[in-house]
Amino acid sequence: DAGVIQSPRHEVTEMGQEVTLRCKPISGHDYLFWYRQTMMRGLELLIYFNNNVPIDDSGMPEDRFSAKMPNASFSTLKIQPSEPRDSAVYFCASRQGELNTEAFFGQGTRLTVV
Amino acid sequence: AQKITQTQPGMFVQEKEAVTLDCTYDTSDQSYGLFWYKQPSSGEMIFLIYQGSYDEQNATEGRYSLNFQKARKSANLVISASQLGDSAMYFCAMREGTGFQKLVFGTGTRLLVSP
Repeated sequence: DAGVIQSPRHEVTEMGQEVTLRCKPISGHDYLFWYRQTMMRGLELLIYFNNNVPIDDSGMPEDRFSAKMPNASFSTLKIQPSEPRDSAVYFCASRQGELNTEAFFGQGTRLTVV
Repeated sequence: AQKITQTQPGMFVQEKEAVTLDCTYDTSDQSYGLFWYKQPSSGEMIFLIYQGSYDEQNATEGRYSLNFQKARKSANLVISASQLGDSAMYFCAMREGTGFQKLVFGTGTRLLVSP
């Protein structure tokens, strides 16, 4: 398996623009997580899905952020409109099952909003 | 209150030496899991080792072992025979409860291995 695949790896956009980050989880994994990493706040969970259904979005910072998982092999995280403080590395991770198995992370998308 | 505390912002170790990275956690749950991840300069998050709260034996994975002291709520990572490639950020994380899926991360420790 190729692992969790995120695209793009890097994104530079102007303030006010819409940004869409993409994630393909590992096949067969039923949990998908979106994390954000910044120097100030470290790694924060934004939202997670189970079987394509959003379970907990309490970490989503504002209404400008939205996430979808239309099927088991694809998820998006959208920011509209983007702001400079959204600059961060966004990670997608997936895992399988209810047991305490590890989550596998993608390589992240480095977002810069100027 | 911090759920995961990593008190060492940076650690230095010489190649081939062992190093211990500290992690303490805070939970009132009986069932929880503790994880260590490595983040090299390239940025990806790499799973290293897992310890369940009911596991009686300390977890080991190759050169990595987890010194789990439940009463003290600590889950320190021990890296034996350090290698230059071990230079990275190391994150301790916890998942609480059987139905609780969130991984909460500590602030990380930057390890530098010198020749």
